[in-house]
Amino acid sequence: GQNIDQPTEMTATEGAIVQINCTYQTSGFNGLFWYQQHAGEAPTFLSYNVLDGLEEKGRFSSFLSRSKGYSYLLLKELQMKDSASYLCAVRSDTGKLIFGQGTTLQVKP
Amino acid sequence: EAQVTQNPRYLITVTGKKLTVTCSQNMNHEYMSWYRQDPGLGLRQIYYSMNVEVTDKGDVPEGYKVSRKEKRNFPLILESPSPNQTSLYFCASSLGPGTDTQYFGPGTRLTVL
Repeated sequence: GQNIDQPTEMTATEGAIVQINCTYQTSGFNGLFWYQQHAGEAPTFLSYNVLDGLEEKGRFSSFLSRSKGYSYLLLKELQMKDSASYLCAVRSDTGKLIFGQGTTLQVKP
Repeated sequence: EAQVTQNPRYLITVTGKKLTVTCSQNMNHEYMSWYRQDPGLGLRQIYYSMNVEVTDKGDVPEGYKVSRKEKRNFPLILESPSPNQTSLYFCASSLGPGTDTQYFGPGTRLTVL
């Protein structure tokens, strides 16, 4: 079967660092994506990993370990506008994009 | 401006009344896809298309049809909508199915009574 797991909810403080984990079991692997989605809006692309290691992009970083079926999204210097859902998605060899349920992050002052 | 557009944005309809949600992209993308998003279930792929006249089922295709007669358009058709198809629908496109980022449309909130 195909399964992607993320925590449902997380809370963090403005200015802090938060790590959102994602574990996956899929048939074939052709990359892992992280998307941000504010309430009522469309998902927007944050990061893409296909090789093991850390990809850094400003305040956001994403890590992948293919052997462990594991990724995380790291958000630094949290801002109130970072309150959103964060979606982990794995692309299979056939082109299908399989999403996790998403992690709702609440940033508090 | 590069974008994916969907219409309508909001629709309330009744069981059994055929409807079409349009999706159009102006980025010359080959790959297009439809998703539905439900609380607690996340985004689930309905159908996707690798190119013109090439479509394939996603994870939840039952009750839906699609067509890809032109590269820019990928309409979603509900021949006989039912209340369990009440959901938020997103269309997305990308250059290809591999590593490319998907761009999402603004979403269509559908209610079937």
